[in-house]
Amino acid sequence: QKEVEQDPGPLSVPEGAIVSLNCTYSNSAFQYFMWYRQYSRKGPELLMYTYSSGNKEDGRFTAQVDKSSKYISLFIRDSQPSDSATYLCAMIRGNMLTFGGGTRLMVKP
Amino acid sequence: NAGVTQTPKFRILKIGQSMTLQCTQDMNHNYMYWYRQDPGMGLKLIYYSVGAGITDKGEVPNGYNVSRSTTEDFPLRLELAAPSQTSVYFCASSFILPNRGPSYGYTFGSGTRLTVV
Repeated sequence: QKEVEQDPGPLSVPEGAIVSLNCTYSNSAFQYFMWYRQYSRKGPELLMYTYSSGNKEDGRFTAQVDKSSKYISLFIRDSQPSDSATYLCAMIRGNMLTFGGGTRLMVKP
Repeated sequence: NAGVTQTPKFRILKIGQSMTLQCTQDMNHNYMYWYRQDPGMGLKLIYYSVGAGITDKGEVPNGYNVSRSTTEDFPLRLELAAPSQTSVYFCASSFILPNRGPSYGYTFGSGTRLTVV
C-alpha cells in the first residue's frame, strides 16, 4: 500500500464547475500538507500549503485537511480551462516530502 | 529572481555513459532535493540535502550520487546510465527551520528530460 493515495483520473468537468480533488494517507506522522499544480512538461508549482486540520482559502482554491480521517482535499471554484493540469498532493514527515501520484484535470470550455 | 535553475533541459545518453545534472538555487534555502518523475506517476525522492556537506538517500537512490559543497548547488551524478533511468528529473529547494517545517513550501526547477538508449 502506498503511503499517499490519489485517484489518477482523468477528471473532466465543464467550465464553471466546482472541482474536488482528494488524497488519503496512511501515516499519521505526516504534519504538513501541500497541493501542487503541474502543467504538461513543466515543474510542479505550489498552490496551497497548510499544517493544521481545517480549511484554508486562497482565491478560487480551498484546501481542506482532516487529520483524524487522514484525508485532504483541494476544491476549485468556478473552474477555468486554464486550470487543466495535473494536481499533486504532497505531505511531509521529518525531512521527506512524499507525493501522491497526481490527478489529471480537464476543464472543458 | 531565478529560483531553482536546472541544466540541461534535455539529454540523450547511451547505455553505460555518465553525466551530471546541475541544480542551483538563489533563495538561500538550506534543504535541496532531487526527484524523478516517470510518465503518469508522481515524484519519487532520489537524494536530499539538509545543508552544505550533508546528503542522505531518498526512496530510489540506486545508480545515482550527489554532493553539496555549497548552499546554492546540488548536482546529481548518473554513473553507468541504464534505460531504467529514462525519466524527468526535478530539483527542488526549501527553507526549513528545525521542528518548524518548511516556511513556504518547496520550489521546483523546470526539470531535465533524460532518455537513455
